[in-house]
Amino acid sequence: EIVLTQSPGTLSLSPGETATLSCRASQSVSSSFLGWYQQKPGQAPRLLIYGAIGRATGIPDRFSGSGSGTDFTLTISRLEPEDFAVYYCQQYGSSPLTFGGGTKVEIK
Amino acid sequence: EVQLVESGGGLVQPGRSLRLSCAGSGFNFDDYAMHWVRQAPGKGLEWVSGISWSSGSIAYADSVKGRFTISRDNARNSLYLQMNSLRVEDTALYYCAKSHDTPMPNVFDSWGQGTLVTVSS
Repeated sequence: EIVLTQSPGTLSLSPGETATLSCRASQSVSSSFLGWYQQKPGQAPRLLIYGAIGRATGIPDRFSGSGSGTDFTLTISRLEPEDFAVYYCQQYGSSPLTFGGGTKVEIK
Repeated sequence: EVQLVESGGGLVQPGRSLRLSCAGSGFNFDDYAMHWVRQAPGKGLEWVSGISWSSGSIAYADSVKGRFTISRDNARNSLYLQMNSLRVEDTALYYCAKSHDTPMPNVFDSWGQGTLVTVSS
């Protein structure tokens, strides 16, 4: 099973700043099959990024994904008030599918 | 617009069974793999099970293997999760989720609002 470790656990930032979230895998993720989700309180997760770098439909271009192998990054440029939420990475290169523990982006 | 609506959750005693359902609409249900993902109260996301469009490929998390059974009825645009021998640690909000693309291992581009399963004596 591929274990995904997200860091930091919490990121305190102000609107307009840039958030850099890390997702590290315990072994290489096949074909960069890695996705990112945003979840707000009381809501279902929303897909942001797939294939490590592809933006899902309707996702603003301030969200960008990068990385390969075992190290992946989600960057949120120019934080908007609605971006403060919990973010999860997920690998789908091998079964079982696994999620990281999440990074909370909070308002400083 | 894609819609996924889960039902069937509730309070159940340890060792008992429960069957969850998910009704899909707004997309060609039989073109996509479907999944169940759960989230324990205040915790992160855990993939539970997935099924390909044809039901020819099925996978489970180790934590539920042998106790849970996923199935689908494409004629009814419905996904199911039969949960047997429930444990306290199965308590969670269970989401139905649609695969982004045809392959079964995938990301999930649409989610329902979830149905809450509480296992307690």
